[in-house]
Amino acid sequence: SYELTQPPSVSVSPGQTARITCSGDALPKKSAYWYQQKSGQAPVLVIYDDTKRPSGIPERFSGSSSGTMATLIISGAQVDDEADYYCYSTDRSGNHRGVFGGGTKLTVL
Amino acid sequence: QVTLRESGPALVKPTETLTLTCSFSGFSLTTDGMCVTWIRQSPGKALEWLARIDWDDDEHYTTSLETRLTISKDTSKNQVVLTVTNMDPVDTATYFCARMVRGNNNYYMDVWGKGTTVTVSS
Repeated sequence: SYELTQPPSVSVSPGQTARITCSGDALPKKSAYWYQQKSGQAPVLVIYDDTKRPSGIPERFSGSSSGTMATLIISGAQVDDEADYYCYSTDRSGNHRGVFGGGTKLTVL
Repeated sequence: QVTLRESGPALVKPTETLTLTCSFSGFSLTTDGMCVTWIRQSPGKALEWLARIDWDDDEHYTTSLETRLTISKDTSKNQVVLTVTNMDPVDTATYFCARMVRGNNNYYMDVWGKGTTVTVSS
């Protein structure tokens, strides 16, 4: 079955740039989506269609995609950004089966 | 304003069937491109996509649980129901429903419910 691979953890100091990667064979053909999940809460969409930011999401959140890797970039990370981040996509077979990456714990301290 | 709310039993016994309801407002599942999906998260684990139902009645399931899952909709009530048969303690999780919309080349979750926690224990 299709898999998306994320690093288990990323750590940065406040004000630094955090980069969280997501790799998957279908990413050249299928867009990646990024969700932020704080402890005990439902996930929130922070990036869609690889690079677009929903209204209400701070400008410090951005996304990029190249080949088989998508990246979530948090420029000038804040303590409030500490959370689990998940990428989401589907495989390219057209069967519409969704898959999440294993999640990345972002620590800002 | 789009909202979704999950409801169902907090506790089920092993081998029982779980029935969860997602009640939503602010959109219609008869609108082209609209979908509702179910996702779960076991304690301390990653999100797991389970199933999706589309505006045109298409259904999609994760391969690993396909034989145990059924998703259905009642557009008159603005509800989507997920049933999971033969529940096991490993199915203990928080179950989320979410609206899915069409993106550039994919469908994605843009609004989530708060989730409902289900424990499987005898």
